[in-house]
Amino acid sequence: DTGVSQDPRHKITKRGQNVTFRCDPISEHNRLYWYRQTLGQGPEFLTYFQNEAQLEKSRLLSDRFSAERPKGSFSTLEIQRTEQGDSAMYLCASSRRTGTEIYFGEGSWLTVV
Amino acid sequence: AQSVSQHNHHVILSEAASLELGCNYSYGGTVNLFWYVQYPGQHLQLLLKYFSGDPLVKGIKGFEAEFIKSKFSFNLRKPSVQWSDTAEYFCAVNAENTNAGKSTFGDGTTLTVKP
Repeated sequence: DTGVSQDPRHKITKRGQNVTFRCDPISEHNRLYWYRQTLGQGPEFLTYFQNEAQLEKSRLLSDRFSAERPKGSFSTLEIQRTEQGDSAMYLCASSRRTGTEIYFGEGSWLTVV
Repeated sequence: AQSVSQHNHHVILSEAASLELGCNYSYGGTVNLFWYVQYPGQHLQLLLKYFSGDPLVKGIKGFEAEFIKSKFSFNLRKPSVQWSDTAEYFCAVNAENTNAGKSTFGDGTTLTVKP
């Protein structure tokens, strides 16, 4: 399967620790998106990249969050000094630049204890 | 900014029953509309989308949705559900000519189909 893959699928961390999630998009897709989803809610847009350029960030993305896509392929989402409120599913998706359909990965669950 | 409201949080149906899931959006301009489905243990996937043209859109697995502009609605329908339709369904909207990946999602409706 050459879909969007995310790693790790689950992460439990202590409050105050840093965590990093990785996303590998579909290879020919040059747009990559990060979302956050909490229980009982739909995905919320965080940020997106076109190739290596981060073109937009949501107000939800606090200063403790940083995302990179250094070579325009995989992306990482780092959360520094985690808080309990960061506990959520972090979803990655990708699309072609002119695509009207986005393809989601299975997500990375974060639990901050 | 857009917002999406899905009125039913959890719907339980028996096989062969008809399905209609409500979706209303709030936005003053022209929109693109989507329904996504997430089967248990799987990733979100697109069920159907509306950009323009015929307001009755047909998607995969026998699903369809009707865009009623005057009601700001995009309800999802299926005439006869199957046990395999058990899943969570999300409605999403974005402004015309914006990136499909920047959609605003509703909070989802969990559908349970009893065999």
